[in-house]
Amino acid sequence: DAGVTQSPTHLIKTRGQQVTLRCSPKSGHDTVSWYQQALGQGPQFIFQYYEEEERQRGNFPDRFSGHQFPNYSSELNVNALLLGDSALYLCASFGQGGYGYTFGSGTRLTVV
Amino acid sequence: KQEVTQIPAALSVPEGENLVLNCSFTDSAIYNLQWFRQDPGKGLTSLLLIQSSQREQTSGRLNASLDKSSGRSTLYIAASQPGDSATYLCAVVSQAGTALIFGKGTTLSVSS
Repeated sequence: DAGVTQSPTHLIKTRGQQVTLRCSPKSGHDTVSWYQQALGQGPQFIFQYYEEEERQRGNFPDRFSGHQFPNYSSELNVNALLLGDSALYLCASFGQGGYGYTFGSGTRLTVV
Repeated sequence: KQEVTQIPAALSVPEGENLVLNCSFTDSAIYNLQWFRQDPGKGLTSLLLIQSSQREQTSGRLNASLDKSSGRSTLYIAASQPGDSATYLCAVVSQAGTALIFGKGTTLSVSS
């Protein structure tokens, strides 16, 4: 049973560019959340998607946007990249069984 | 606003020692609490999930307890091993279907 899959694993972008990160949830899961984790910090919640709609959003600017597809996979888009956007981006999914969240291995984004 | 605090921030112990990691949260109205392990630069691995109606959960050498009324959880690791070296993160969900709120983690180092 495949877990949560994220791509790419590493990415280097230039300040001002745009980036798209991708996530496939665990089989049977229909809800996807995205988190940003800076070095030495706990993950910070960006937003959550369910039934192809953004259901909850954390304290992140509109430069951060997302999408969920009919197969429950999701994308995170970040526009006008800043140096401070450099972080590990984590995708997590969960289903209706109440068994908690499952996380992917993350995408390491470096903005130069 | 829910806030999660983990103490200590770092811990070094010799192999074989039993240890306790602490997690506290400000709003006792939680849906569940989840403990994760994170190896450097990697994603999160779920260790234990405690529903709000439960007092503790056990998996192998790990035991997690939950005291909702006092806003506290502990993760007990028995007979620690060098392979246990990692960062341990505590996270709460305030309502069903909502986002995880994380602490900053405790970085554990077990020496042989």
